[in-house]
Parts: sequence; structure tokens; C-alpha cells
Amino acid sequence: EVQLVQSGEEVKKPGESLKISCKGSGYSFSTYWIAWVRQMPGKGLEWMGIIYPGGSDIRYSPSFQGQVTISADKSISTAYLQWSSLKASDTAMYYCARVFLGYDDYWGQGTLVTVSS
Amino acid sequence: EIVMTQSPATLSVSPGERATLSCRASQSVSSNLAWYQQKPGQAPRLLIYGASTRATGIPARFSGSGSGTEFTLTISSLQSEDFAVYFCQQYNNWPPLTFGGGTKVEIK
Repeated sequence: EVQLVQSGEEVKKPGESLKISCKGSGYSFSTYWIAWVRQMPGKGLEWMGIIYPGGSDIRYSPSFQGQVTISADKSISTAYLQWSSLKASDTAMYYCARVFLGYDDYWGQGTLVTVSS
Repeated sequence: EIVMTQSPATLSVSPGERATLSCRASQSVSSNLAWYQQKPGQAPRLLIYGASTRATGIPARFSGSGSGTEFTLTISSLQSEDFAVYFCQQYNNWPPLTFGGGTKVEIK
């Protein structure tokens, strides 16, 4: 069974750093792209970027380029999304998703990130 | 960047009735269009890919159609579990892949 399990809820202060994770199981992690998607409170889905764990090819949405860093460690089947300096506007639910031929066929359960002073 | 526009924003439907949701792309995405369902407090779930192919385990009452710039998701007879928000996504030109703003299907 394909599963993506994300790390738990985070509460941070503005200016702090953060790295959240997404661990894949039940399939060959290295051979599928992983996407990250943001959902701000009460809003729609925003595609942030994508990584190919097998080759570390990474593409970012222009809206998120320079704002976050996407990485992966194929040895432990885990993808990451990180911030060096959080802002209140980063408060959102973040989902990882396995990408198959472009669409997201399996999703993680989401990681809620709250940034507040 | 391709802009995806969904309409209506909210659709009020009675159980057992048919629901028709629209999604328009700012330029052609061929048939590279997916639909997702999201219920409150849950992650999105893939319903349709390739504009018209149901994902594994998706009931036959869900159907997708269209190509190019105009797409439709039809739910033939709404069940209680179908009241949710539905998003379309194009995956023809990326980055970025882009989502529509969503259509909320609510009980009339």
C-alpha cells in the first residue's frame, strides 16, 4: 500500500527556521516525483514545487522560488520542505503528494504550520 | 503560467440530483487535467486524471469530460459523502502545475 506520512504539527515564531518531512512507503520512492502543495486557511491549493528523489532534480513555482527549499534523502525515502526564516504569512497546511505522469495520485495527511509571535 | 478558473464557486444541490462543475484553462492543456475532492479536515483525493479517467476506487457516478480549455466534472446522483470541495489541476505545462480555485458542493 502506497503511503506518504508527514511530520507533525509545528508552532513557530517569525524568523525561526523549520524543516518538515514526508516519508514514502509501499513503492519505489526514488522513481516518482514528490510535490509540495500549500493550503492557507480557508483557501485553495497552491503548487509549490517538485523533486525527483532519484536524481534530485528540483523545480519550483515562481511564486515560491527563493522562499522555501525542497530536498530529499532517497536512502530513507523522505522528502523535505524547509524555511530559513518563517513569516506569519507562511501559516498554512502543507501537503506532499506523489506525482504520476503529472497528477498527484497519493497525498500525505498534511502538516499544519502556525507562525505566530 | 496557465490560469485555471472554476465555476461556480459554490453549487447547492439536493441529494440524488446531478451536479455539473466547470473548469476553464487560460490556454490549451490538451487532456492533461485532473480533478480532486477535498472534504473538511482531509487531504485532497484524486478523482479523475487525463480529463476523463476515474482513479482507482472512484465510483462510476463521477465522470469527467473535455479537452483543450474547457472541462466538466459531473456527479450523476449526489450522495451525502460527495458534499465537498472539488479542484481541477492542469499538468500539461509546468512548472508550475496549477490548480483552479475550487468549487464547493453543498447541500441544498
